[in-house]
Amino acid sequence: RKEVEQDPGPFNVPEGATVAFNCTYSNSASQSFFWYRQDCRKEPKLLMSVYSSGNEDGRFTAQLNRASQYISLLIRDSKLSDSATYLCVVIRNTGGFKTIFGAGTRLFVKA
Amino acid sequence: GAVVSQHPSWVICKSGTSVKIECRSLDFQATTMFWYRQFPKQSLMLMATSNEGSKATYEQGVEKDKFLINHASLTLSTLTVTSAHPEDSSFYICSARGGVGNQPQHFGDGTRLSIL
Repeated sequence: RKEVEQDPGPFNVPEGATVAFNCTYSNSASQSFFWYRQDCRKEPKLLMSVYSSGNEDGRFTAQLNRASQYISLLIRDSKLSDSATYLCVVIRNTGGFKTIFGAGTRLFVKA
Repeated sequence: GAVVSQHPSWVICKSGTSVKIECRSLDFQATTMFWYRQFPKQSLMLMATSNEGSKATYEQGVEKDKFLINHASLTLSTLTVTSAHPEDSSFYICSARGGVGNQPQHFGDGTRLSIL
């Protein structure tokens, strides 16, 4: 079992739809959480940090559930430009910090 | 803020050539830099982690004599692919992190390396 798991998708949604991704992590020493997006043949870009209190940035909302060890990303009113791979990233501290990347969830938003 | 520049973006060269890729943090001091490679439709694969002034820590299976990493300053790290062969063709991406270890990484634009 991978330490950070994501549904690879792809998620195919129409423009304007609301779509949600979940990501689970297995190491309880995980302490920092992020969502990145990666466009095809491009580098990953930090989308947002994730907190237990929730974090909202425009159409994007991220949430952390420490008890169940998962994080989520909600995209409202999907745009064509939201099509990308969304990477769940977890940093744990077990005798040193280590960053673990999920394999990503692919999203296609269609007109 | 948190801009990371990577150069060159594309490299096409003959087998046996050594290729040097630079990664610079433009507006922050990068205490740690990371080098990844990514094959088409696959996940990022961490190759090595380097802290300024220290030797890089390589992931299992990554040849340190093949992929030379130098992190001489808080804003610059270089990856040299020595005697590159076609199987080294890939997308190489650096990232940088400032401050403490629980901060996010910021990625460079990546270098697409093609060895003929």
